Amino acid sequence: ETGVTQTPRHLVMGMTNKKSLKCEQHLGHNAMYWYKQSAKKPLELMFVYNFKEQTENNSVPSRFSPECPNSSHLFLHLHTLQPEDSALYLCASTTRTGEDTIYFGEGSWLTVV
Amino acid sequence: KQEVTQIPAALSVPEGENLVLNCSFTDSAIYNLQWFRQDPGKGLTSLLLIQSSQREQTSGRLNASLDKSSGRSTLYIAASQPGDSATYLCAADVGGYQKVTFGTGTKLQVIP
Repeated sequence: ETGVTQTPRHLVMGMTNKKSLKCEQHLGHNAMYWYKQSAKKPLELMFVYNFKEQTENNSVPSRFSPECPNSSHLFLHLHTLQPEDSALYLCASTTRTGEDTIYFGEGSWLTVV
Repeated sequence: KQEVTQIPAALSVPEGENLVLNCSFTDSAIYNLQWFRQDPGKGLTSLLLIQSSQREQTSGRLNASLDKSSGRSTLYIAASQPGDSATYLCAADVGGYQKVTFGTGTKLQVIP
């Protein structure tokens, strides 16, 4: 248990579906992130939020839409995805004060059919 | 642009052996260097974080070193156990709001 909880753990969706991934942390961290992990590739940063404000959008297609209603919750809304979007989506958080251990959730396995 | 490389990509060792995992980065202006462990199908667990002003960090059987000038970090695992089997990733942080670059990892298998 890392203190970062992601739901659902597994998701299968069609290309026309709309779904959302949820991330929650109660570690008092102010920065939250979405990463994508595909086979044989390094972790790809998607979005960064600091105190609910988006500070980084790493050229992510608009079919991925993040939402951060407060510093403890982060969502990734998914719409009209492609099969190549199938991957493990990881949420992470950190304090971003200098002694910054990054805490990851268990991830959400997404399969687009 | 920071690039992080981990060699080897995979490693298989007999139980009890001491081993070293390597991580190299191209931009030496890092804020810290973290080592993570990832079990199959799971998220990443932080093992050690070395601040730029530090040379090494130790936790149990793990020791991580950092040489900024040469752009290298190593993770030393003493007396390896089958439970150490996992993928180990390093990540170089250049500070600011998320400029962390991950390597592709080293997949370790410890054979009983």
